[in-house]
Amino acid sequence: AQSVTQLDSQVPVFEEAPVELRCNYSSSVSVYLFWYVQYPNQGLQLLLKYLSGSTLVKGINGFEAEFNKSQTSFHLRKPSVHISDTAEYFCAVSDILTGGGNKLTFGTGTQLKVEL
Amino acid sequence: DAGVIQSPRHEVTEMGQEVTLRCKPISGHNSLFWYRQTMMRGLELLIYFNNNVPIDDSGMPEDRFSAKMPNASFSTLKIQPSEPRDSAVYFCASSPIAVASSTDTQYFGPGTRLTVL
Repeated sequence: AQSVTQLDSQVPVFEEAPVELRCNYSSSVSVYLFWYVQYPNQGLQLLLKYLSGSTLVKGINGFEAEFNKSQTSFHLRKPSVHISDTAEYFCAVSDILTGGGNKLTFGTGTQLKVEL
Repeated sequence: DAGVIQSPRHEVTEMGQEVTLRCKPISGHNSLFWYRQTMMRGLELLIYFNNNVPIDDSGMPEDRFSAKMPNASFSTLKIQPSEPRDSAVYFCASSPIAVASSTDTQYFGPGTRLTVL
């Protein structure tokens, strides 16, 4: 079984500042990793995913994440945030052997609040 | 493309009543998922279907919960009888690939906010 830890429940940041949202995972087998974003009163939508290959993954809205196998991390970054990035961000993992992208385990989420 | 459609968007009911949540996946998608989101437990997978067949229902909390997918364009999640601890946002998601090892994206609906008094 796998698990995901998002240590920061809330991250306040000023507009145009950089941000990093942390995600660590635990799994006994190889994994696929995902970041989803949830805007208020909406469902989740995919920001980016790591399947294989380059450890630096670029997603929508200027976000990117880096897979670090030795540290079992998949932190999400954006060099300059905008007010519209205010949302909740979820890291998720799936086990290559048993479920692939069909069975995701989500972290508890990080609320990103961008202030003027 | 209308996206995943869920109804109702909000449901308020009294303890002991039956609740039925509905989902219409994206046309052509053949995997469907039901999730529950609460402050305490975060986002939990309840059950998922491939080609209308339930594949994994290990997340269904208890016998009061049941889910069906009678055809490729419709699914229901039923709670009978409902309890206050069932209050949560329930999401439906669909994915275009039926293979269990798929890495394809899941597309989420807007959710149903259920309140059980």
